[in-house]
Amino acid sequence: NAGVTQTPKFQVLKTGQSMTLQCAQDMNHNSMYWYRQDPGMGLRLIYYSASEGTTDKGEVPNGYNVSRLNKREFSLRLESAAPSQTSVYFCASTLGPYQPQHFGDGTRLSIL
Amino acid sequence: AQSVTQLGSHVSVSEGALVLLRCNYSSSVPPYLFWYVQYPNQGLQLLLKYTSAATLVKGINGFEAEFKKSETSFHLTKPSAHMSDAAEYFCAVSGQGGSEKLVFGKGTKLTVNP
Repeated sequence: NAGVTQTPKFQVLKTGQSMTLQCAQDMNHNSMYWYRQDPGMGLRLIYYSASEGTTDKGEVPNGYNVSRLNKREFSLRLESAAPSQTSVYFCASTLGPYQPQHFGDGTRLSIL
Repeated sequence: AQSVTQLGSHVSVSEGALVLLRCNYSSSVPPYLFWYVQYPNQGLQLLLKYTSAATLVKGINGFEAEFKKSETSFHLTKPSAHMSDAAEYFCAVSGQGGSEKLVFGKGTKLTVNP
């Protein structure tokens, strides 16, 4: 039972490069999320998808795009990476409103 | 809008001592509240959740939290700290109007001294 799987686990990019972070869940959850975690800032929501076919901006969407490929998969794309996007990125999923979210182990991204 | 304040970004206790991590929330509707734990280099794991069934909620690893509406608080406690409890703890409140979003506090890092 894998839960929420994120790939890759680590990545180093140069400024201006592009990259897609992948996330897949096997719990038949409806909603999926992308967060970034920075020291002292807690978790900040980048984008979320309440159901297959829908996506919405969160608190810090600038510089990112997302795709809800199907019910299982939700990807996050950095089109032109900037040093300010150095962070740990977490994907999460949930069955629906008021339910706990289940998290992946994160992608540690460094942009030089 | 919903918000969460965790008092104390760092808390240090001795092994065997009481753990108390503070969380206050702001919500215009009856809240659903969660505590998560994050061990180094891992994702967040659910410790417990409050869904209005009972004000005292028991979670995993001996943790519990009490919902106090009058104080808008949901503090996390454990009677006796263990070295393995060293981690970062996050309080979260559900979004308004049935939103699937959660609003997280900034986290409290717990250190347990031998």
